[in-house]
Formats: sequence, C-alpha cells, structure tokens
Amino acid sequence: DAKTTQPNSMESNEEEPVHLPCNHSTISGTDYIHWYRQLPSQGPEYVIHGLTSNVNNRMASLAIAEDRKSSTLILHRATLRDAAVYYCILARMDSSYKLIFGSGTRLLVRP
Amino acid sequence: NAGVTQTPKFQVLKTGQSMTLQCAQDMNHNSMYWYRQDPGMGLRLIYYSASEGTTDKGEVPNGYNVSRLNKREFSLRLESAAPSQTSVYFCASSEQTGDYEQYFGPGTRLTVT
Repeated sequence: DAKTTQPNSMESNEEEPVHLPCNHSTISGTDYIHWYRQLPSQGPEYVIHGLTSNVNNRMASLAIAEDRKSSTLILHRATLRDAAVYYCILARMDSSYKLIFGSGTRLLVRP
Repeated sequence: NAGVTQTPKFQVLKTGQSMTLQCAQDMNHNSMYWYRQDPGMGLRLIYYSASEGTTDKGEVPNGYNVSRLNKREFSLRLESAAPSQTSVYFCASSEQTGDYEQYFGPGTRLTVT
C-alpha cells in the first residue's frame, strides 16, 4: 500500500487560512487521495477527497500537484473547532479498497 | 437519523475473557468496517464487510472474528482477550466500498488487564 508523509503538528491562528501538506511520492494511477480529521475523543470525520483535479466543498479545498506526488488540504478560515488530527490517506480503487491511516498532522488553532 | 452507533462505550476485560462489540447503522449502507486505534496512532483496519453476507480481513485481523448479522449490524468478537488488544475500536459504514465517504461511530474504549 502506498504511504503518505505528513508533518506531526502545525499551528494556525483563528480566522487565518491553513495549508496542510501531504507527500505521497509512491502514489499509483488508481489511488484516490482522501482527507479525514479526528476531533478529540471522536471518530474520524470525512473532509474531502480527489483523484487528479483540485476539489472544493463546504469544509475545505484539496489542491493536488500535477504529478500527484503531493497534495495540500486548505482550510480557508480556521476556527477553534478545526483543531484536530488531519489524516491524508491513499485508497486504491480495486476490490480491496481500504483506507490506510498514517499518524496524521495535529492542528492547533490559536485564538 | 443516528448514523453509526456502537455499544458499549467502555469495557474492561480480564485476559482470556471474551466479548462482542456491537455496531449498527441506519443509513442503508452496504459496506461496514471495524478499525482499532492505539494511543497516538492512526486507525488500522481489522475486518470489513463489502456487502451483507461477505466479510474480509483487513490489516490486523488476528485475534478477532466478525459477523455481518444483517445489512444494519456488524459485530466484532474477541474470543480470548489479550492486553495487546487494549485500544479504541471504531466502526464505520459507507454506501459501497470504493470511492465513498466512510461514516464513523463514536468508538468503544476497551481495556484488557
């Protein structure tokens, strides 16, 4: 399974944009890039996912490099409620499609 | 619409005891999953069920069994609990396997002494 590399932690100020990076240099053509986040003492929550093109939804934007070896999750205006562990995950589109979680990036949001 | 529910929320077992973790979803999803999360780590897939009547192993299936009781319910059984199984267990569901969002339950915190 292809692996992802994320910084252990990042800090941001409230109401400022946050860019969370993810490297996935061994990504294959059928791997989707998923982002989930986990708030303290809760189960993970889906944020966004994409294959090749940049994606936007109500929570965030996903910017995917042209060679697909890296991606960036963008929170446009961080709030205190966005403090969580963010997981960048590659999921292969085959019969055993699985989410393989790494250790993620812990985002701290300062008021 | 409760989403994914899990019981119990907390459990303490002695080594060698058995127990079953229950999971149910009310979203009419076909696929369900069991994960475990050890302290400071990401989640690891134990077993999953792509559809009613099927189950498959994930990354860390040893020491566990599962039953897809019906479309709504997916249970995880520890036949003989070991301290290494101390963890938080999460159940999840999705419309299908593949490129679909997974919805997670609140977790069961299990301690094996």
